[in-house]
Amino acid sequence: NAGVTQTPKFQVLKTGQSMTLQCAQDMNHEYMSWYRQDPGMGLRLIHYSVGAGITDQGEVPNGYNVSRSTTEDFPLRLLSAAPSQTSVYFCASSHGLAGGREQYFGPGTRLTVT
Amino acid sequence: AQTVTQSQPEMSVQEAETVTLSCTYDTSENNYYLFWYKQPPSRQMILVIRQEAYKQQNATENRFSVNFQKAAKSFSLKISDSQLGDTAMYFCAFMKPLTQGGSEKLVFGKGTKLTVNP
Repeated sequence: NAGVTQTPKFQVLKTGQSMTLQCAQDMNHEYMSWYRQDPGMGLRLIHYSVGAGITDQGEVPNGYNVSRSTTEDFPLRLLSAAPSQTSVYFCASSHGLAGGREQYFGPGTRLTVT
Repeated sequence: AQTVTQSQPEMSVQEAETVTLSCTYDTSENNYYLFWYKQPPSRQMILVIRQEAYKQQNATENRFSVNFQKAAKSFSLKISDSQLGDTAMYFCAFMKPLTQGGSEKLVFGKGTKLTVNP
């Protein structure tokens, strides 16, 4: 199993550009989520999904869109990048109760918006 | 909304000694999970230990153990026989699971940077 994979690992965008951060898992996990990590702030939830076709907002959803058309993939779209979106982004997945509630994290994407 | 507080931004310990990291949380829920995650310089998030709130027994994983005080809403992590590889950021996290009316989402504290000195 590859676990949770994220692409790209690094990205630089100009203000106003759009892009998609990719996240995929091969563990047949129903639950997937996106977090951002900023210095001194811990990780904050952006969006999450409890299954294919179901998504919901987290703590900091503004400026981001998600969709979940398959169990495996959960892309995060930045609609119009802003410097405030400079951060490290983590995707996570879990099997819920069947997996002891453990969330598996991808390696992260470092995004810089200039 | 739940909140998680880690009051120690940085700590250091000598190799082979014991260190305790503090975490408090605020919730009105009765059934939930608590976690400690480790983030080494590689940036990878790694689960260290988990505790189910309905279990009175403190969780233990090798050199890592917790002191879970439900009434006080406290969840500290003790690392025994500290090793250089324990140097990392440590995050405390709260979860209300889907089966308890929650959403499986994690609420994190701001982290404690632990340095193990040789």
